[in-house]
Amino acid sequence: KAGVTQTPRYLIKTRGQQVTLSCSPISGHRSVSWYQQTPGQGLQFLFEYFSETQRNKGNFPGRFSGRQFSNSRSEMNVSTLELGDSALYLCASSLGTTGELFFGEGSRLTVL
Amino acid sequence: GIQVEQSPPDLILQEGANSTLRCNFSDSVNNLQWFHQNPWGQLINLFYIPSGTKQNGRLSATTVATERYSLLYISSSQTTDSGVYFCAVEGFGNEKLTFGTGTRLTIIP
Repeated sequence: KAGVTQTPRYLIKTRGQQVTLSCSPISGHRSVSWYQQTPGQGLQFLFEYFSETQRNKGNFPGRFSGRQFSNSRSEMNVSTLELGDSALYLCASSLGTTGELFFGEGSRLTVL
Repeated sequence: GIQVEQSPPDLILQEGANSTLRCNFSDSVNNLQWFHQNPWGQLINLFYIPSGTKQNGRLSATTVATERYSLLYISSSQTTDSGVYFCAVEGFGNEKLTFGTGTRLTIIP
């Protein structure tokens, strides 16, 4: 059974650009959540989706958005990139709205 | 929201030694997981353990939910055990998974 797949794995952008990251959950999992990891702030929750609905959102500016499709795949978008957005973005999936989470390998974003 | 504290922040041990990592949390939880972050950044599931005790090879974990702490035991450490170990908890009532700041474990050959 395939794990959580995130694409792209690495990307470099410049300030002001926008970026879209993709996450394919484990087959059968309906919940997808996103986390940002930086050396200074650690692992911080971005948002969670279940059955195409956003259930929860962390304390991030409106430049960070996401969505979930009917096949449970999810995307997150960051617009007007800032240097501080450089981070490892991790996606996790779970069967339901609670329970064990499984993480992908992450997308490492560098903003120049 | 729930506060999660991990200790110690750093731990350096000789290969073959045993270690105990601690996670304290500030409220009742319905989800507690331990992860090992590999050098490439992926969080590897170690245990899903909101309560009770589990063992997997050289690793075991215990969560005492009533006293709001969890312990991760690593026996006969190997260099491949090096990395950062995270505890993450989720409270009741539509709460997000909150991570501790991690314990960085370094195993010296």
